[in-house]
Amino acid sequence: EPEVTQTPSHQVTQMGQEVILRCVPISNHLYFYWYRQILGQKVEFLVSFYNNEISEKSEIFDDQFSVERPDGSNFTLKIRSTKLEDSAMYFCASGLDSYSNQPQHFGDGTRLSIL
Amino acid sequence: KQEVTQIPAALSVPEGENLVLNCSFTDSAIYNLQWFRQDPGKGLTSLLLIQSSQREQTSGRLNASLDKSSGRSTLYIAASQPGDSATYLCAVGGYYGGSQGNLIFGKGTKLSVKP
Repeated sequence: EPEVTQTPSHQVTQMGQEVILRCVPISNHLYFYWYRQILGQKVEFLVSFYNNEISEKSEIFDDQFSVERPDGSNFTLKIRSTKLEDSAMYFCASGLDSYSNQPQHFGDGTRLSIL
Repeated sequence: KQEVTQIPAALSVPEGENLVLNCSFTDSAIYNLQWFRQDPGKGLTSLLLIQSSQREQTSGRLNASLDKSSGRSTLYIAASQPGDSATYLCAVGGYYGGSQGNLIFGKGTKLSVKP
């Protein structure tokens, strides 16, 4: 069964450094998402992406964050200058279409640790 | 602002028991509702999706119901097994510009099924 893949599985970075988290969504999906889960807290929406542009973003997704689909397969989340509070599990998800009968499919996540 | 609450936060049952997990949400204007399973250190596996026009969905030993007007959903697990041990997350999909918007998650119910 097709799946969403994320790399790396664990990223350790010094505060202030830039990180890029990578995702390969399911190949025929058109809608892409990033979520994060701080340890012990709820999964939180960050951003959705469709037709090569952001369609929705949360208040968490400030100017330090950006997303890109550089080619036909990858979907990336960049954090420009990491802060300690960016430490979390980051999940990528993809969806087939904009209708309500298709679930979002999630990757296994990237654990980001900021030192 | 949509809030999703799951009760109980944790549940421990002996193998073979039938059980019910509860999810409530504050805004009934939802697109759909998804139940996910999350194993420790892993991603989210979609279990069931209920569209806003539906009342329930079934998959194997799992049955999810939705009462949109009262803002409630339940996940019924029949004949529980130790392999069902995981955290179960409820997430509601909201409207955004007519397309499938972001998911808003509850904090989850951590289920432990003892042999």
